[in-house]
Amino acid sequence: DTGVSQDPRHKITKRGQNVTFRCDPISEHNRLYWYRQTLGQGPEFLTYFQNEAQLEKSRLLSDRFSAERPKGSFSTLEIQRTEQGDSAMYLCASSDRDRLGSGANVLTFGAGSRLTVL
Amino acid sequence: KNEVEQSPQNLTAQEGEFITINCSYSVGISALHWLQQHPGGGIVSLFMLSSGKKKHGRLIATINIQEKHSSLHITASHPRDSAVYICAVRSNQGAQKLVFGQGTRLTINP
Repeated sequence: DTGVSQDPRHKITKRGQNVTFRCDPISEHNRLYWYRQTLGQGPEFLTYFQNEAQLEKSRLLSDRFSAERPKGSFSTLEIQRTEQGDSAMYLCASSDRDRLGSGANVLTFGAGSRLTVL
Repeated sequence: KNEVEQSPQNLTAQEGEFITINCSYSVGISALHWLQQHPGGGIVSLFMLSSGKKKHGRLIATINIQEKHSSLHITASHPRDSAVYICAVRSNQGAQKLVFGQGTRLTINP
C-alpha cells in the first residue's frame, strides 16, 4: 500500500485518558498535515510539518494536543486528558515538495482516525 | 462569514443530470482544491486549480480568480457520484494550511 496510512482507524476512550494517533505518509512526501473533522463539517487545520519541523500550528490546538514527526517520516498526534469535545475524525495528509513553485501540491489523505470520547 | 463558502449544502438529483457545485472564497489564494469524501471518511483529491479549467472524465472544475469563485461540474451523473464534495483553498500569504468549505452532500438517485 503506497497511500497514507493512519492507525488506529477507530478509538473509543474515556474522558481524561490520553490517546495517540499515528500517520505514515507517502514515503517521498516531505509535507505532512493533521486536520480534524466533526460531523457535518469540513476539515479544520491543526498542524503542518515540513520534514521534521513543525512549521504551522492552529490556535485550535490546545496545550493538550501535541504532534511530532521526529525523523521526518511518520507523525504522531497525542491528545492528553481527552474531553468529549475532542470526539472527531482526525485526518492526516501528505504532499510532495513544491516543485512547481505554485505554493501548493496535491494532497493525499489518509482514511482518518475516528475518536470517540465517552 | 467563513472564508470558504459552498452552495448548495445538499443536492439531490436524478441519474444523468448535470450537476454544479459552487465555491466562493474571500482570501487571495495560491490554489484551490476540490475533494471528494465518501461515507467512512476517505478523502480523495479531485482537482487542484490555480486558474482556468480542468477536466477529468465526467468531472470539470473551473475557477475565476477575479471573482473568487470556483465551480465543480459533473456530467451524466451516476449514483456512484454520491458523496460529499469539499472545496478547499490555500492562501497566497505563504501559509501551507488548507481552509475547507463545509462540503456539499450530493445524492444521485437511480
